[in-house]
Amino acid sequence: DSGVTQTPKHLITATGQRVTLRCSPRSGDLSVYWYQQSLDQGLQFLIQYYNGEERAKGNILERFSAQQFPDLHSELNLSSLELGDSALYFCASSLMTGRLPDTQYFGPGTRLTVL
Amino acid sequence: AQSVTQPDIHITVSEGASLELRCNYSYGATPYLFWYVQSPGQGLQLLLKYFSGDTLVQGIKGFEAEFKRSQSSFNLRKPSVHWSDAAEYFCAVAPSKAAGNKLTFGGGTRVLVKP
Repeated sequence: DSGVTQTPKHLITATGQRVTLRCSPRSGDLSVYWYQQSLDQGLQFLIQYYNGEERAKGNILERFSAQQFPDLHSELNLSSLELGDSALYFCASSLMTGRLPDTQYFGPGTRLTVL
Repeated sequence: AQSVTQPDIHITVSEGASLELRCNYSYGATPYLFWYVQSPGQGLQLLLKYFSGDTLVQGIKGFEAEFKRSQSSFNLRKPSVHWSDAAEYFCAVAPSKAAGNKLTFGGGTRVLVKP
């Protein structure tokens, strides 16, 4: 158990809908990362937040957005869902001491199925 | 931009035999390197990491990896495989100098263990 929690574990929805994925980082970690794992794209970095502020952005679609709240939990919002958004979405967290390197610890993931 | 290549998509190994998983990276400087394992239905668990110093790194579950700068490689090894090692293994690289801390993953190698 990494200490990172994600809810829900599974999500089934229809095209055009909007969903919210939730992540609670390990106790003490200030940074949260979101990754998408799909069969055709593999594991891809989406976005990183550090202490409530966006820190880095990857291949995140404009239909997707994220935020990190004062209690450091994070939410990933996916809207206007398409079949191709079906994937496993991972959250990771790290301490981010400001001294690289930093180790990321991953949650169990949320499996999103868009029908 | 950094990239990671895992040339072997699938590897089948007999229980008790040795295992080596290949990882090659492309990056302008010395990166930070990681190996993660994903068991079926599970999240990603960190096996080991290389930041600097001794190029032979020991990890959990009896795994080790060797960083070879001249070959831009970071291969993972285990002397004697157990049935519980059947999983998918991901090599990842993080930039040594950049804002943020995003991981770039290889495509993964799925390991099947024969009894």
